[in-house]
Amino acid sequence: DVKVTQSSRYLVKRTGEKVFLECVQDMDHENMFWYRQDPGLGLRLIYFSYDVKMKEKGDIPEGYSVSREKKERFSLILESASTNQTSMYLCASSPKEGFRLSGNTIYFGEGSWLTVV
Amino acid sequence: DAKTTQPPSMDCAEGRAANLPCNHSTISGNEYVYWYRQIHSQGPQYIIHGLKNNETNEMASLIITEDRKSSTLILPHATLRDTAVYYCIVRVAAWAGNMLTFGGGTRLMVKP
Repeated sequence: DVKVTQSSRYLVKRTGEKVFLECVQDMDHENMFWYRQDPGLGLRLIYFSYDVKMKEKGDIPEGYSVSREKKERFSLILESASTNQTSMYLCASSPKEGFRLSGNTIYFGEGSWLTVV
Repeated sequence: DAKTTQPPSMDCAEGRAANLPCNHSTISGNEYVYWYRQIHSQGPQYIIHGLKNNETNEMASLIITEDRKSSTLILPHATLRDTAVYYCIVRVAAWAGNMLTFGGGTRLMVKP
């Protein structure tokens, strides 16, 4: 089974702190994603990566950065946490588009609940 | 990606089949139907997907109408642990970028 593991389930951080959210997948997937999910707003894409050291901005990249030094690991960084970044953060992965027979399914981690106070 | 329409909520008795409908009348020929579910406070979980033919796996069955304008997810023997919000998504498989928009979904309540 595909496993996407997020390092922290629940975090509480202070405004202005630097926050690292780590994600690891064990299926050798090329694509990895960071979303945030908020009530009434659904899933919003922050950043995604289609290869090591590659990154692309999603819909809401402001206030975030990412790092993909190894294929299996994709980190989300909040440079200076703010209260409006309180949310549930979801990491996901999927195989590259050549895997057409699989329908290119996206697999999600358990989520990280971040509260910024 | 095509828009989908699902009922906001459904109840099902434990041990009975849960049939969750989804309308996607504007689906294109190269778009797949995906089903995910989200149990409270957890990440979305992939259930099943299909293009034209009916599909079955260890979790569920997916029935797609011949015109592909609607589909039904079937959980054959619902358990209390199947209580979740179920999302039907239609998308092109070619690029798994940001094109994953979850609508309102159907909140399935499995009752003893």
